[in-house]
Amino acid sequence: QQQVKQSPQSLIVQKGGIPIINCAYENTAFDYFPWYQQFPGKGPALLIAIRPDVSEKKEGRFTISFNKSAKQFSLHIMDSQPGDSATYFCAASGREYNQGGKLIFGQGTELSVKP
Amino acid sequence: GAGVSQSPSNKVTEKGKDVELRCDPISGHTALYWYRQSLGQGLEFLIYFQGNSAPDKSGLPSDRFSAERTGGSVSTLTIQRTQQEDSAVYLCASSLSPRTGELFFGEGSRLTVL
Repeated sequence: QQQVKQSPQSLIVQKGGIPIINCAYENTAFDYFPWYQQFPGKGPALLIAIRPDVSEKKEGRFTISFNKSAKQFSLHIMDSQPGDSATYFCAASGREYNQGGKLIFGQGTELSVKP
Repeated sequence: GAGVSQSPSNKVTEKGKDVELRCDPISGHTALYWYRQSLGQGLEFLIYFQGNSAPDKSGLPSDRFSAERTGGSVSTLTIQRTQQEDSAVYLCASSLSPRTGELFFGEGSRLTVL
């Protein structure tokens, strides 16, 4: 119940394409779903996050879609650029579950955007 | 700098030796986390400190691993009798409070056990 399953493991798209990364969870106590972006040699950094009271959130070229009934959420990157090449992690946490801010991370998706 | 600082950035040690990894969180951040990232793997939760509360140690993989946080600030992760499977990047993160959700990560300490 603590797992967050992420797919695909790797993804290659052409510049301008729309990569989609999917995550699924089991624990219905989760109520916060962030995405983190990690460049080689750096720590992950928060990209965008959503709470389950909305089904979609957009920030610039990045969109999270959230399906509460299916316990799934996904990241879409519009008009992808080579500079978006990085590893992306979905995560989940549940304050109401007394987990504080502890995040459970997915396995990561290595995205490569070709020029 | 204003970010999370970790040291050393790289550590090579021999199997069986003890290692200490240090994390200096962002000033004022009450929550501190340690995660482990193995090659090609996700981020594995190790331990979480929040203020003066007892730490959440549920992710520590064995009793060879321990961590402390002194004075609510700097934290040290200690691995005793290191094994080759301990080789990984150890990431520290801090947050203003658990309720804000955003974790700020350091660049990690890369540990290689020969």
